Amino acid sequence: SQQGEEDPQALSIQEGENATMNCSYKTSINNLQWYRQNSGRGLVHLILIRSNEREKHSGRLRVTLDTSKKSSSLLITASRAADTASYFCATAEPYSGNTPLVFGKGTRLSVIA
Amino acid sequence: DGGITQSPKYLFRKEGQNVTLSCEQNLNHDAMYWYRQDPGQGLRLIYYSQIVNDFQKGDIAEGYSVSREKKESFPLTVTSAQKNPTAFYLCASMDRGNMNTEAFFGQGTRLTVV
Repeated sequence: SQQGEEDPQALSIQEGENATMNCSYKTSINNLQWYRQNSGRGLVHLILIRSNEREKHSGRLRVTLDTSKKSSSLLITASRAADTASYFCATAEPYSGNTPLVFGKGTRLSVIA
Repeated sequence: DGGITQSPKYLFRKEGQNVTLSCEQNLNHDAMYWYRQDPGQGLRLIYYSQIVNDFQKGDIAEGYSVSREKKESFPLTVTSAQKNPTAFYLCASMDRGNMNTEAFFGQGTRLTVV
């Protein structure tokens, strides 16, 4: 089952602009994670935000989490052509037998130089 | 160099043939996972294993089989019962001793039926 749903499905911006992607999920979570995937490659972990956190930063990345709305957003500031990739959110359910991460369908980001 | 390695990168299967995708990790992770990704789609869970000699079905296990005889290895067999096996297959591992930890992914195997 895919719990996360990213929005938009695709996003095209100019280099230097900010990119915002949203993720909605359905059930309670222990944490929410964002991953990046370059075309034809594996996923790379970007950032993890715990359920008791509201905002987290890592370099040009800013993640917010609103557990009351069951939603998260990923902001990439001052985007670069190298940021072109697909971005996925993944949720980890509260500890109950080590259930696997559940991934959304992703947002395809194109940054035009 | 710690990491997770999938092989081969590309694999071609004839109709009615079984093929096995390899996944090896040297991260000392107990948990390993197989996901399937179709074009423009997210990841769907095929099988996962939390410990050696134990594994669980995911959302789309039909037509696939796995084994977990060693902690480092979690091979996936795509059987002839899988009617639409052409896809990108991703293996991942996690340290499940830490509840707030990330998954590490291999570079994937692209399987094509010819």
